[in-house]
Formats: sequence, C-alpha cells, structure tokens
Amino acid sequence: EVQLVESGGGLVQPGRSLRLSCAASGFSFDDYAMYWVRQVPGKGLEWVSGISWNSGIIGYADSVKGRFTISRDNAKNSLYLQMNSLRAEDTAFYYCAAASGPRGYWGQGTLVTVSS
Amino acid sequence: DIQMTQSPSAMSASVGDRVTVTCRASQGIGNYLAWFQQEPGKVPKRLIYAASSLQSGVPSRFSGSGSGTEFTLTISSLQPEDFATYYCLQHNSYPWTFGQGTKVEIK
Repeated sequence: EVQLVESGGGLVQPGRSLRLSCAASGFSFDDYAMYWVRQVPGKGLEWVSGISWNSGIIGYADSVKGRFTISRDNAKNSLYLQMNSLRAEDTAFYYCAAASGPRGYWGQGTLVTVSS
Repeated sequence: DIQMTQSPSAMSASVGDRVTVTCRASQGIGNYLAWFQQEPGKVPKRLIYAASSLQSGVPSRFSGSGSGTEFTLTISSLQPEDFATYYCLQHNSYPWTFGQGTKVEIK
C-alpha cells in the first residue's frame, strides 16, 4: 500500500523554525519527483517547493524562497522541508506529494500554525 | 513565473449537466498540466495528467484537453459525487503554479 506520512507540524512562534518530514512507503521513492503543497483552511492550493528524484533540480515558490529548504534522503525514503523565519501567513496544512508520469500520490497533510 | 488563470471561480450545476472548467497559462507550458479534484475536508486527488491523460481509476466522464496556453477539464455528465473544487497545476517549469480553483456546487 502506498503511503506518504507527513510529520513535524505544530504551533510555532513567528520568526522560529520548523522541519517537516514525509515518510514514503509502498513505491520506489527514488523514481519520483517530490513536492510540497500547502493550503490555508478554506482557501486554495499553493505549490511550495519541489525536488527531482536525484535532488538535481529544486524549485521554490516566491513566497518561501530564501526561507524554506527542501531536501530528500532516498536511502531513508524521506522528504523534508526546513522552514525558517516563519510568518503568520505560513499557517496552513502542508501536504507532501509524489509524481512520476501516470503515477501520483499525496499524503494526508500536517498542520503548521505560526502564532505568538 | 507562469500564472494560471482558472475560470469560472464557482459555478452551479445540476446532476447530468456537462461542465467545463478552463485554465489559461501566461506562457506556453506544452502539455505539462494536471487537474485535481478536492472534496471538502479531503486530500486533493489527481484526475488528469499530461493535460489529457486520465488517471487510473478515474471515471471516464472526466476528460482533459488543450496544450500550450489553453486547457479544459470537462465532466460529461455531472454526478452527485463530483460536487467539489477543481484545480489545475502547471508543472512545466519552477515555480509550479495552481489555478485559483473552481467550486462546483449543486444548483
């Protein structure tokens, strides 16, 4: 069974850091590009960051560039998102997702709340 | 950055109706476009990849078309379970971008 399980969300003060993790199982992780998407409850989807299968190509949304860092460890079947200098507007559900041509999977999401 | 303009933002339709949602890219993206469905409280589900390829397990009433800058998602005969919000996603170049979403409501 394919699973993507996010962890690391929670309540954090503005300006602080948080690291999200996404554990993958049930598919060949290193065959897939991975990405993070966030969604403020009741609002639309926002693509946050993506990484190619071998970490050779990485991209960020303008809203997080310079503050967030995406990485992956294919040996551990894991994806990460290091979030620094967090702001109130970063409050959202964060989903990790996998994509490889006709195959694509999403996790259930983890909630990040940035508030003092 | 590539902007995705999705229309309409919301619509009311009846069971059995044919529904069309459009996404326009600010520059050409080939066929690097996917369509997602999100039901309230649920994780988004990919319906279409490569602009017109149906994701495995998705009913054939869903179809996608287009290339370059104009893309369309069509539901040929709307079913009760199709009332949801639909999003397009361009993945031609970073940063990827979603459309603003189209909420399909019951008339």
